[in-house]
Amino acid sequence: GAVVSQHPSRVICKSGTSVKIECRSLDFQATTMFWYRQFPKKSLMLMATSNEGSKATYEQGVEKDKFLINHASLTLSTLTVTSAHPEDSSFYICSARTFGAGGYNEQFFGPGTRLTVL
Amino acid sequence: AQKVTQAQTEISVVEKEDVTLDCVYETRDTTYYLFWYKQPPSGELVFLIRRNSFDEQNEISGRYSWNFQKSTSSFNFTITASQVVDSAVYFCALSEGASGTYKYIFGTGTRLKVLA
Repeated sequence: GAVVSQHPSRVICKSGTSVKIECRSLDFQATTMFWYRQFPKKSLMLMATSNEGSKATYEQGVEKDKFLINHASLTLSTLTVTSAHPEDSSFYICSARTFGAGGYNEQFFGPGTRLTVL
Repeated sequence: AQKVTQAQTEISVVEKEDVTLDCVYETRDTTYYLFWYKQPPSGELVFLIRRNSFDEQNEISGRYSWNFQKSTSSFNFTITASQVVDSAVYFCALSEGASGTYKYIFGTGTRLKVLA
């Protein structure tokens, strides 16, 4: 159980176009989803926290107009990279939060989306 | 402020050697969770272990073992008799309980190369 999917797994786009990445919790409802960005050989950096039905909370330094996040349902969050540029090329990973049997917070991670902007 | 430090950027060992990956964390919370994840070349994070701040018992799972010491704020990970398939980047992460944000703070990762 607790599977999170991302679509697409890989996308190549031209500079100036917008790209949408979907994150779905397949077998559980996630009130909170997180979006991370990972540069090559670097750590995961949290971009934003997305709560169902409300506006996303962005981390310091993340442009909210550049990275649009929508969390319209308990199983789906989307990240749209608007007017993408080569410096937006990165590995984007989402996670979905649910509470485990022991009441602890647990995040389940998607497989990631590799974005390449030409 | 919360922080996770993985001082070892890259480690190379020969197959069958034991290797320990270090993780030191900082937090003001008394309730928190620590995690280890493996990231193979495919990029997908593989969950290895979760430990809460009230449970200092060490854990062993096959060739993997974890040593949690609150006194030194460390949560180290040992692989016994390493194998080539263990080659990956390993991340330690911290999640604080009191803040209510449930954010994970990741360390910078340790790249492990196991040579045949």
